[in-house]
Amino acid sequence: AQSVTQLDSQVPVFEEAPVELRCNYSSSVSVYLFWYVQYPNQGLQLLLKYLSGSTLVKGINGFEAEFNKSQTSFHLRKPSVHISDTAEYFCAVMDSSYKLIFGSGTRLLVRP
Amino acid sequence: NAGVTQTPKFRVLKTGQSMTLLCAQDMNHEYMYWYRQDPGMGLRLIHYSVGEGTTAKGEVPDGYNVSRLKKQNFLLGLESAAPSQTSVYFCASCRSGAGQETQYFGPGTRLLVL
Repeated sequence: AQSVTQLDSQVPVFEEAPVELRCNYSSSVSVYLFWYVQYPNQGLQLLLKYLSGSTLVKGINGFEAEFNKSQTSFHLRKPSVHISDTAEYFCAVMDSSYKLIFGSGTRLLVRP
Repeated sequence: NAGVTQTPKFRVLKTGQSMTLLCAQDMNHEYMYWYRQDPGMGLRLIHYSVGEGTTAKGEVPDGYNVSRLKKQNFLLGLESAAPSQTSVYFCASCRSGAGQETQYFGPGTRLLVL
């Protein structure tokens, strides 16, 4: 069965600093990978996705992620964070039945 | 275009009571999903539907039932609520087919079972 691991439950960072949120997945077949963001008391919003092609994927709000098949990773990065990026971030893998398997989430806390 | 909407936004139930959560989407999506979100556990799939009149179990289906009588609606029922069902429930939908894999989420329903 597929699974997703987000090792960091919380990542504190200062405003304008770079950040990386880690995601590892387990799958023996082709994967579709996603990052979603959840702002307080809201639903989930798609940040970016990898389906095929270029391993570097750019998303909204200046985020990007790199698909690394050999390391089974899909880490999310942003070169300079803002206070408004404070939110919870979820990595997910989609199986062949269009079902999403989510990681446990990483709370990004941006401090001034 | 409202996207995915959920009713109600918040509900308090007593143990043993029943209720139905409604999810509606106006994007003509084939696939619909119900998830629950609990602290430190991410989102877990309860039930899903790949089309009108069809439903299937997800990872945590026990204690829940669903129906998809119309393409745009997906109902989640709790027949006899338990405190363990206190959670935030999210509905999502997506199209089928290559390149259509993005799931769109509703704003959530916060349920407290006493």
